[in-house]
Amino acid sequence: EAGVAQSPRYKIIEKRQSVAFWCNPISGHATLYWYQQILGQGPKLLIQFQNNGVVDDSQLPKDRFSAERLKGVDSTLKIQPAKLEDSAVYLCASSHRTGGYEQYFGPGTRLTVT
Amino acid sequence: AQRVTQPEKLLSVFKGAPVELKCNYSYSGSPELFWYVQYSRQRLQLLLRHISRESIKGFTADLNKGETSFHLKKPFAQEEDSAMYYCALSVGKRGGSNYKLTFGKGTLLTVNP
Repeated sequence: EAGVAQSPRYKIIEKRQSVAFWCNPISGHATLYWYQQILGQGPKLLIQFQNNGVVDDSQLPKDRFSAERLKGVDSTLKIQPAKLEDSAVYLCASSHRTGGYEQYFGPGTRLTVT
Repeated sequence: AQRVTQPEKLLSVFKGAPVELKCNYSYSGSPELFWYVQYSRQRLQLLLRHISRESIKGFTADLNKGETSFHLKKPFAQEEDSAMYYCALSVGKRGGSNYKLTFGKGTLLTVNP
């Protein structure tokens, strides 16, 4: 089975610019997660979708971050405008369902904000 | 709020030596604990979970609620065990929508030949 796909793999932007990341989960997985992993830290959940609805976005900086999962499959995460502290790896993960099922991670997108 | 602490950023052992990666958590209820692993140039993946009580690649981990710990152990380390290891905690009702993972900062294990 194909794994979680993410693009781009790397992105370098200047502060105040906008950027978008794309994620394609494993086919049939209802739950999709976006994590932010800053260098030297573990992944931190930003937002969780169940199909095309948001389950948890309590740690998403909503003044600059937005995410959507149209049609309950692919998802995009956007940052507008970016700040230096947004430099991180953005991981997408999916699971069959929410609530304790194994999460499968994508390769991540490494964002550098200069 | 729940928290996961991995006190060692780096751990270096020789091949064949025992290895223990420490994980402590803070949560007043009954959490589920996991170990995730990321090998060089690979994706983050689940290694084991405490409810399964199984050994994966020779690794075991026992949940000690009294000490709030979930240390990962292997009696004889192999070079291929070299990787980044993350302990994670999940709270919320199993099967519920508020079930989410909190990760520790990770421990980089290096097994020397």
